[in-house]
Parts: sequence; C-alpha cells; structure tokens
Amino acid sequence: QKEVEQDPGPLSVPEGAIVSLNCTYSNSAFQYFMWYRQYSRKGPELLMYTYSSGNKEDGRFTAQVDKSSKYISLFIRDSQPSDSATYLCAIGANFGNEKLTFGTGTRLTIIP
Amino acid sequence: DTAVSQTPKYLVTQMGNDKSIKCEQNLGHDTMYWYKQDSKKFLKIMFSYNNKELIINETVPNRFSPKSPDKAHLNLHINSLELGDSAVYFCASSQGSNTIYGYTFGSGTRLTVV
Repeated sequence: QKEVEQDPGPLSVPEGAIVSLNCTYSNSAFQYFMWYRQYSRKGPELLMYTYSSGNKEDGRFTAQVDKSSKYISLFIRDSQPSDSATYLCAIGANFGNEKLTFGTGTRLTIIP
Repeated sequence: DTAVSQTPKYLVTQMGNDKSIKCEQNLGHDTMYWYKQDSKKFLKIMFSYNNKELIINETVPNRFSPKSPDKAHLNLHINSLELGDSAVYFCASSQGSNTIYGYTFGSGTRLTVV
C-alpha cells in the first residue's frame, strides 16, 4: 500500500463551482499535512499547511484533516480558471531527518 | 529575487553521457533536497543535505551523485545517462531538517535522454 493515495483525475469543473480534492494516507504517525499547487512547467508551491484535525481556511481555500480516518481534503470555493493546475497533497512527520511524502497529484481544469 | 534557482532548465542529452544539474537557494535555509518527478507527476525524493551533510539517500542508482559545497548550493551529477532517467528534477529547500514548514521548490530541470 502506498503511503499516500490521491486520485490523479483529471478533474474538470465549470468556473464558480466548489472543488473537492482528496488524499488518504496509511501511517498514523504523520503529523503535518500540506497542499501544493503546481502550474504547468513550474515547481510546486506551498498552498496550505496544517497539523491538526479540523478545518483551516485561507481565502477561497479550505484544508480539512481527519486524522481518525487518515483523510485530508482541499476545497476550493468560487473556482477560477487561474486555479487550473495540478494539486499535490504532502504529508510529513517529525522524528528527526524527515522527508515530505507526496501524493501523485490531481490535475484540475476550471472551464470558463 | 529567485528563492531556489536551478540550472539548466532544459537538458537534452544522449544515452551514456554524464551531466550535472546545479541548484542554489538564497533563503538562508539549511536543508536542501533533490526530487524526481516522473511523467505521471509523481514526486519522489532522491537525496537531502543538511548543512552540507547527506541525511537522506533513498534507493537511487549510484550513477547519481549529489554534492553540497555549502548550505546554499546542491548539485546533482549523473553518470552514464539512461533513457529511464528522463524526468523533471526538482531542487527544494527547507528551514531545518524536519518537514514542519514545508519546502520551497525550484522551477525544475527537464532532462530528456535520447
């Protein structure tokens, strides 16, 4: 079983829709949960970061973590064409020299 | 102003050649990473250096050799390139050697082996 599973999509939604992106993970020791956005031919950029169960909001973006189910989500409200990108979830722990483990990414297209 | 910069952006080379990719960060971070992203966008860590010391060395062919002359620079040398090495290689940096703050990525080096 992969450490992080993410539906690769692709996902196409009309402009203005609410988008839901999801990941599941297998190791309950993971403590830090992030979402990265990657535009075509660019490097991933950190979008949201949280370390506790519950919701964290930043503008149109909401990151949700359910540690009991080992499930993380990213919601995008009022989606815009500029949100079209690949979204990667990433999880990490803090036992010392750690690495972020990434999901495979979901390719999202917002249709004007 | 670029926080993490990689050179070159594109690299096309023949099988069997040796090539290097360079990375520099001006964020004052003390940990740097090399990640490989395949055609399906899967990002997999290769190496990590903290203050010039190798701390993560994943299962990578020994044709790949990283080098960190100082904490702001991390290079990747690849010997005897193979077709399967074609991918995008990302350099990243972070504050500290744990994952709590996330990483800052460069824009990638797209390597094509023909």
